[in-house]
Amino acid sequence: NAGVTQTPKFQVLKTGQSMTLQCAQDMNHNSMYWYRQDPGMGLRLIYYSASEGTTDKGEVPNGYNVSRLNKREFSLRLESAAPSQTSVYFCASSYGTVNEQFFGPGTRLTVL
Amino acid sequence: AQTVTQSQPEMSVQEAETVTLSCTYDTSESDYYLFWYKQPPSRQMILVIRQEAYKQQNATENRFSVNFQKAAKSFSLKISDSQLGDAAMYFCAYRRRNRDDKIIFGKGTRLHILP
Repeated sequence: NAGVTQTPKFQVLKTGQSMTLQCAQDMNHNSMYWYRQDPGMGLRLIYYSASEGTTDKGEVPNGYNVSRLNKREFSLRLESAAPSQTSVYFCASSYGTVNEQFFGPGTRLTVL
Repeated sequence: AQTVTQSQPEMSVQEAETVTLSCTYDTSESDYYLFWYKQPPSRQMILVIRQEAYKQQNATENRFSVNFQKAAKSFSLKISDSQLGDAAMYFCAYRRRNRDDKIIFGKGTRLHILP
């Protein structure tokens, strides 16, 4: 039981490049989330998916797109990376409305 | 809108002593969850403890306990017998019950354990 996994762990991009962050969970959770963590800002929600086939914007969605490929996988795409998107990205999942979320190990992204 | 405030950016405590981390929140909801998450240097977010707002009894998990004051909208974390492994960033968080949306996080308190 791996929990929530994220790939890659580290990534460096140049401004304007695109990339997709992958997330998968093996806990049969319905809901999945993408957060970004910046120094002094805590975690902020980018997008979430309450169930397969649905996605909703969070607090900071601009510059990102997401895909809920199936129940297990939820990907985050940066179409044209900007230095302001330099951050640590966390994927999380939860079983519907049941309380806590379980987090992946994070991806450190640097945009030059 | 719901907000979570942690007023202590950093704290230090001597090993084996007790420390309390503060958290206040603002909400118009009556039914919700509150959490404390720990983030060690490994970056992994680990759930420490959770509290359901409809329960009056304060949650405890081994050396970790909370002081939940619903009327005051206060949710502090007490760590007893502090250990070196407790050194981490601690985040207070809020989530509405029966609503499958975001957890709202505070900005965190960095806890240092002094040997």
